[in-house]
Amino acid sequence: DVKVTQSSRYLVKRTGEKVFLECVQDMDHENMFWYRQDPGLGLRLIYFSYDVKMKEKGDIPEGYSVSREKKERFSLILESASTNQTSMYLCASSLPSRVPSYEQYFGPGTRLTVT
Amino acid sequence: EDQVTQSPEALRLQEGESSSLNCSYTVSGLRGLFWYRQDPGKGPEFLFTLYSAGEEKEKERLKATLTKKESFLHITAPKPEDSATYLCAVRDYGNNRLAFGKGNQVVVIP
Repeated sequence: DVKVTQSSRYLVKRTGEKVFLECVQDMDHENMFWYRQDPGLGLRLIYFSYDVKMKEKGDIPEGYSVSREKKERFSLILESASTNQTSMYLCASSLPSRVPSYEQYFGPGTRLTVT
Repeated sequence: EDQVTQSPEALRLQEGESSSLNCSYTVSGLRGLFWYRQDPGKGPEFLFTLYSAGEEKEKERLKATLTKKESFLHITAPKPEDSATYLCAVRDYGNNRLAFGKGNQVVVIP
């Protein structure tokens, strides 16, 4: 079974803090993704990575950066947390795009609150 | 731009009352349609992938079907444990991303 783990289930940070969200997958997947999920807005893609040290902006990258130094690990960084970044953050992984079975497998999520 | 619309947004069912959820999509070329189940406060759990019109997939009380413009998730004789939000997503040719709908929230009342 694919397993995607996230470093924290719940996190409370103050405005202006630098925040690190970590994601690890154990299925040797090339692709990894970071989403945020808000009521009424659904899942929105922040960044994704299709290889080590490779990244591509999603639909809402502003205020975020990412790091992928190892294949199994993908980090989301909030450089200076703001209250409008309070959200549920979801990490996902998948096989590469050339493979028909492209389903994404999600981690349990991190509920981040910025006060 | 890909567009995925799910209806109804919310649905309350009596236990045993079968129903269907709809996912309408607009893509230039479908490379896969995906259904997920999401419980409150948790990450989405993968259910099915459908690739071409006419294809069907089943898992317990769930059956997903696909046409050229929409997919249905049929819930047969639902139980309270089927209560969840069901998400639909599509992948277009030449795209590494999935476009997600906003979900169908299902509540099954005992």
